[in-house]
Amino acid sequence: DAKTTQPPSMDCAEGRAANLPCNHSTISGNEYVYWYRQIHSQGPQYIIHGLKNNETNEMASLIITEDRKSSTLILPHATLRDTAVYYCIVLYQGGSEKLVFGKGTKLTVNP
Amino acid sequence: SAVISQKPSRDICQRGTSLTIQCQVDSQVTMMFWYRQQPGQSLTLIATANQGSEATYESGFVIDKFPISRPNLTFSTLTVSNMSPEDSSIYLCSVEGANTEAFFGQGTRLTVV
Repeated sequence: DAKTTQPPSMDCAEGRAANLPCNHSTISGNEYVYWYRQIHSQGPQYIIHGLKNNETNEMASLIITEDRKSSTLILPHATLRDTAVYYCIVLYQGGSEKLVFGKGTKLTVNP
Repeated sequence: SAVISQKPSRDICQRGTSLTIQCQVDSQVTMMFWYRQQPGQSLTLIATANQGSEATYESGFVIDKFPISRPNLTFSTLTVSNMSPEDSSIYLCSVEGANTEAFFGQGTRLTVV
């Protein structure tokens, strides 16, 4: 079973920041938080991951709370092409643990 | 990053037949993963394929139904055997990148009639 909880859907205006929340209250100390997205009719795409520090790359920022029980993925300037299902996954690095996808959040960016 | 090519991209098959899906990666990888995505659902892992050993199947998936080959470090196949309409899904191949992120193919959209 997925170890995360996400809202089923969100809307965002084009050009505004999209903030996607994720709860992972049972995360253990050596588990990372990963984010992927799946644009319609495509395979999932890796976005970002982190352990406890906030992370930023060319696609997004990841904010992890100090207790690590929740996180937020931020798309700073959402475009119509960011419309997708976003998956938050917790995963232990270094072992044979596999990605377990929950239902994710369907983000719709509106013009 | 890894580039993954899947063939075919889509197919419509008769019930009772089998379809073999190919997954080619542009670099050598230890593990390859096969997922199923049923209509309107999230991804479910079918099995993990290591080169030179039997695939490891997840609960609810068996080798007789989904035989997997892994002849080398850049290629794998998944066969969907004795298909029924319930097998209509998108099947995806995935590999792990150098920084532990996963890369996915574009998927094979299978419709069984």
